[in-house]
Amino acid sequence: AQSVTQPDIHITVSEGASLELRCNYSYGATPYLFWYVQSPGQGLQLLLKYFSGDTLVQGIKGFEAEFKRSQSSFNLRKPSVHWSDAAEYFCAVGFTGGGNKLTFGTGTQLKVEL
Amino acid sequence: EPEVTQTPSHQVTQMGQEVILRCVPISNHLYFYWYRQILGQKVEFLVSFYNNEISEKSEIFDDQFSVERPDGSNFTLKIRSTKLEDSAMYFCASSEARPHGSDTQYFGPGTRLTVL
Repeated sequence: AQSVTQPDIHITVSEGASLELRCNYSYGATPYLFWYVQSPGQGLQLLLKYFSGDTLVQGIKGFEAEFKRSQSSFNLRKPSVHWSDAAEYFCAVGFTGGGNKLTFGTGTQLKVEL
Repeated sequence: EPEVTQTPSHQVTQMGQEVILRCVPISNHLYFYWYRQILGQKVEFLVSFYNNEISEKSEIFDDQFSVERPDGSNFTLKIRSTKLEDSAMYFCASSEARPHGSDTQYFGPGTRLTVL
């Protein structure tokens, strides 16, 4: 069965520092990859997605992610973190032939120190 | 910008009671979903709904759950006899129903269900 792993449960970075959140998936078919962000008391907001083509995708709020098929990874990056980026980040994967359901990782809680 | 809305934002109920969670998907979307997130755990898929029928459901979605599109705008999740372990945040999502699974799902803000 497909699975998604986000190895970092909590990450703390200083404002202005760079950020990388890791996501690995396990499945043999072509994946569709998403990153969502959840601020406290809020729903899940889509940051970016990868379906095909250029493996480096740009999203909202200055985030980007790179799909590496050889590593089964889709890591999220931001060159300079802002205090407002503090939230929980979820990687999610859909698969060709897997219907339309998404499989989510356990999430990474990001704390930003001023 | 169109968005998915959910009501109520918080529902408290007694064990064994029926609850109905409501969602208004984005208007031109054709695929609808329910997910849930138990506190401290990952977001889990419950069910997808397309063309007025369930498209896919998870093992969690047993006989005590049902979904319905009662009119042209609402999409509901009913839990017939709530259990303590049903306490969770329930998210509704919708998508355009693009082919080959390359659909982007847009999520609502969630309904926090507390079963006492």
